[in-house]
Amino acid sequence: QKEVEQNSGPLSVPEGAIASLNCTYSDRGSQSFFWYRQYSGKSPELIMSIYSNGDKEDGRFTAQLNKASQYVSLLIRDSQPSDSATYLCAVNTGGFKTIFGAGTRLFVKA
Amino acid sequence: GAGVSQSPSNKVTEKGKDVELRCDPISGHTALYWYRQSLGQGLEFLIYFQGNSAPDKSGLPSDRFSAERTGGSVSTLTIQRTQQEDSAVYLCASSLPRDRVYNEQFFGPGTRLTVL
Repeated sequence: QKEVEQNSGPLSVPEGAIASLNCTYSDRGSQSFFWYRQYSGKSPELIMSIYSNGDKEDGRFTAQLNKASQYVSLLIRDSQPSDSATYLCAVNTGGFKTIFGAGTRLFVKA
Repeated sequence: GAGVSQSPSNKVTEKGKDVELRCDPISGHTALYWYRQSLGQGLEFLIYFQGNSAPDKSGLPSDRFSAERTGGSVSTLTIQRTQQEDSAVYLCASSLPRDRVYNEQFFGPGTRLTVL
């Protein structure tokens, strides 16, 4: 069973701090990794994709991938209350199938 | 441009009835996915269609669930003889994969199904 694991949280950080979200996956053959943000009652929205080991930065977001350790993380700098949401880690395990983690709830305190 | 659309947005039905959920993907997207999300849970993969290939139905939970995609565009997910445990939000996503690696999916707003 291919799995994607996330801490369910909630992760609570003060406004302006760095939020760090982590994800591990079981399938060593996985090649592409995604972070989605999901506000309560809304559908997931793609915020980052990463395919190679290392860091990828986009604005306040940085995705980090370490295939040897089978983890991917998302850093949110200068966290804002509007970042409060559930963050879903998703892994393409081969073919076109994507497995989603259960998500980490983030709460940014004003 | 227009995103993924789904209809209806909400569906309330009685146990034992059949329901049809519709997804209209982003124009030109060749891949289409159906997921189910129960309250407070993650996304459960149901089925995907990619171009003219046979669909991957490996996530369908029972033979009461079926899906089709006509003309490579609109898809319909059908649930027969609905049960209360089918109550969930059904999400559709589409993508234009360059290959099996580069495959970013974009989601529709979902259909909230309630089975009484």
